[in-house]
Amino acid sequence: AQSVTQPDIHITVSEGASLELRCNYSYGATPYLFWYVQSPGQGLQLLLKYFSGDTLVQGIKGFEAEFKRSQSSFNLRKPSVHWSDAAEYFCAVAPFRNQGGKLIFGQGTELSVKP
Amino acid sequence: GAVVSQHPSRVICKSGTSVKIECRSLDFQATTMFWYRQFPKKSLMLMATSNEGSKATYEQGVEKDKFLINHASLTLSTLTVTSAHPEDSSFYICSAHRGSGNTIYFGEGSWLTVV
Repeated sequence: AQSVTQPDIHITVSEGASLELRCNYSYGATPYLFWYVQSPGQGLQLLLKYFSGDTLVQGIKGFEAEFKRSQSSFNLRKPSVHWSDAAEYFCAVAPFRNQGGKLIFGQGTELSVKP
Repeated sequence: GAVVSQHPSRVICKSGTSVKIECRSLDFQATTMFWYRQFPKKSLMLMATSNEGSKATYEQGVEKDKFLINHASLTLSTLTVTSAHPEDSSFYICSAHRGSGNTIYFGEGSWLTVV
């Protein structure tokens, strides 16, 4: 079945430590790929997106993500986490490139940051 | 500033009444908008695709008679929750796709509480 999977429901990291949030998708063709962040009670903020080209994408707030076609993955990374990064992170795909804007979201990963 | 605006940001309504949520694209025309629903601590679920000048396309399992979507102009889509019940309480968020630049903009979201 077509889906977007974020295997980790909750991750806790220490401030200053590195972070990797996993995202896998199962769609026939390479979809458009996104990572969003959501603070409690707030809307969504786009961190980065991948459409084509360089498979390592740089985003805002020091985040980056790498698209790996062979693994159908689009993992989000940050080399050094700040306490303000604590939030919910969503991976999303636009499975049909001709239906721009229609997104399917993963289950989300809640990030907690220890001082 | 916001490129896509939702109104109201919070609304409380009585059980059995209807409530309308607006989604506006502020500085571009959007032939397609999308409506999502998010339960507390859950992911965003795509409800429907709002098409300007034609009927909305609903995702499987979404009651079209309960969640009425109207996209009467290129800058406005509305979601009306009819005969609301407490289980309709949720966070509703819209998005609009701008073709030029292939960019998706999310509204700030609307909290609906049915009492």
